[in-house]
Amino acid sequence: QVLTQPPSVSVPPGKTARITCGKNNIESKSVHWYQQKPGQAPVLVIYYDTDRPSGIPERFSGSNSGNTATLTISRVEAGDEADYYCQVWDSSSHHVVFGGGTKLTVL
Amino acid sequence: EVQLVESGGGLVQPGGSLRLSCAASGFTFSSFWMTWVRQAPGKGLEWVANIEQDGSEKYYVDSVKGRFTISRDNAKKSLYLQMNSLRAEDSAVYYCARVTGDVSGAFDIWGQGTMVSVSS
Repeated sequence: QVLTQPPSVSVPPGKTARITCGKNNIESKSVHWYQQKPGQAPVLVIYYDTDRPSGIPERFSGSNSGNTATLTISRVEAGDEADYYCQVWDSSSHHVVFGGGTKLTVL
Repeated sequence: EVQLVESGGGLVQPGGSLRLSCAASGFTFSSFWMTWVRQAPGKGLEWVANIEQDGSEKYYVDSVKGRFTISRDNAKKSLYLQMNSLRAEDSAVYYCARVTGDVSGAFDIWGQGTMVSVSS
């Protein structure tokens, strides 16, 4: 089971970043998203496709449709620069699967 | 404060063993699935294993099946990962994390990680 993410995404500050996570019929699964800054543990930013944990800014949102799940970061700030990973549970193999990660650069 | 603290990492020779521990505090440990995730230097996240609340269900990534064992002691609020027959490719930072809801839930609380280096 493979989750496909673009290796990198670059956006100017104040613009919108969209990070995709692709898999055939991913809409049938719950997708979770993590942010990881250098030298730090990952932080959950979106769970069950669209839910946002407490403390995560409203600028972070998620969607999941067809073969693509998307993490959207509005009004991007320098502090959003990080690696972002999508994750699902594959019930047929009983495995957790992570995407390869996307490095977000704020220009 | 909800917290997970890993320990037990270090340098080990190929073929050797290590036991990682993860101490939980600030929440009802016995109510949650728990998981181990690793990250090799400069690489992405890789799930290693999951364990159900009472330890009856366990799942592993194929590359560690038969070599690693996940376990827990709810009385001690601790999660463990026994790693045997270690290989160079097992070198990574190992994180423990709490799973929200059921087995398909997100990993909402993470420890700071413990480094495992397998080298002669």
